[in-house]
Amino acid sequence: AQSVTQLGSHVSVSEGALVLLRCNYSSSVPPYLFWYVQYPNQGLQLLLKYTTGATLVKGINGFEAEFKKSETSFHLTKPSAHMSDAAEYFCAVSGLYNQGGKLIFGQGTELSVKP
Amino acid sequence: AAGVIQSPRHLIKEKRETATLKCYPIPRHDTVYWYQQGPGQDPQFLISFYEKMQSDKGSIPDRFSAQQFSDYHSELNMSSLELGDSALYFCASSWIQGSYEQYFGPGTRLTVT
Repeated sequence: AQSVTQLGSHVSVSEGALVLLRCNYSSSVPPYLFWYVQYPNQGLQLLLKYTTGATLVKGINGFEAEFKKSETSFHLTKPSAHMSDAAEYFCAVSGLYNQGGKLIFGQGTELSVKP
Repeated sequence: AAGVIQSPRHLIKEKRETATLKCYPIPRHDTVYWYQQGPGQDPQFLISFYEKMQSDKGSIPDRFSAQQFSDYHSELNMSSLELGDSALYFCASSWIQGSYEQYFGPGTRLTVT
């Protein structure tokens, strides 16, 4: 079985400050890990993904995440927050297609950016 | 680039009525997923289709059914609607030969009164 835990339902940072959103996963098989962003009343947009290979992955809008197998973590970071980063962020895990490929989401973290 | 299309974007129904949600995946994508997102909640997987065959099933009520057609579009049929069915319903599509990315549509907001 797979599960995702996002630490902190709400994170607030100042504009220009470091953004750190935490995600821990549980998976009995090699996981595929994703971060999605959701703006109010909109769909989910893929920020970045980890499938295999390099454990530090870079995504859109200056975000990156590092897959740490020993810590079962996939934390999302951005060096300098921008007002436009305010949104809901979801970490998700999936297995292989022969295991369905469905995404299991964390509870989400709402990011607020203060001017 | 073409995206996932969902229709309608908004739907208001009364209790015990029926609703049909449609999803048009990105061209060449062979897999469709349906998710339900309640207010303030994370998306929950409902059902998926690969090459027009059901590939996986999640927490989908028996009152709901879905299928994928020969042109790869998918429909989610919801009967005997309940107040608790009010939610945002997302469709996502992916390509099995791709990199496991699922591309989400804008969602259909269903309100049951």
